[in-house]
Amino acid sequence: GAVVSQHPSRVICKSGTSVKIECRSLDFQATTMFWYRQFPKQSLMLMATSNEGSKATYEQGVEKDKFLINHASLTLSTLTVTSAHPEDSSFYICSASRTGSLGELFFGEGSRLTVL
Amino acid sequence: GEDVEQSLFLSVREGDSSVINCTYTDSSSTYLYWYKQEPGAGLQLLTYIFSNMDMKQDQRLTVLLNKKDKHLSLRIADTQTGDSAIYFCAESEGTALIFGKGTTLSVSS
Repeated sequence: GAVVSQHPSRVICKSGTSVKIECRSLDFQATTMFWYRQFPKQSLMLMATSNEGSKATYEQGVEKDKFLINHASLTLSTLTVTSAHPEDSSFYICSASRTGSLGELFFGEGSRLTVL
Repeated sequence: GEDVEQSLFLSVREGDSSVINCTYTDSSSTYLYWYKQEPGAGLQLLTYIFSNMDMKQDQRLTVLLNKKDKHLSLRIADTQTGDSAIYFCAESEGTALIFGKGTTLSVSS
């Protein structure tokens, strides 16, 4: 099956710093990638939809200046958490849609962010 | 907005069948999905069903869709301890997915 890789899988940072998380589709081209956030014991919350070569579309309530998304190529999208605070600590998961896959999404392994 | 509801916990004995239920609200969803999340791992697509189907069977997995009631279920036959995980139901909204909160399946031997 298609593979989506996220990096880093775990990151710990100090409050006020910025953290970048990468999402790569390893064996297919992904026109659209999605970023989700998962709180403990809760479902995944869609944060934004990232389209290659254009600005990301953010869901209501998600601060686009805090969560910067760049989708510079058909295989890479990045999420940068700027000026991170402890409340940004969470599990961030990306997924990618492969053209012609009947709407199936392929998920990365997730990135655990801990802000001290 | 769209909402997907699931029961939070299910406990079964090894060898029994498990049935996880889900209700959704968006009648225009083209596909409905079941994902599995094992501890410390990412989501894994288990199966999906096209909205014009009533049933889909894939080895031990059977998906039933009642489009009139917007009810989706996942049946796992001969449940094994390795099936212990969180199971998420999801409906499609355009190209994105809307997930339920997940059902934690606990299998005892």
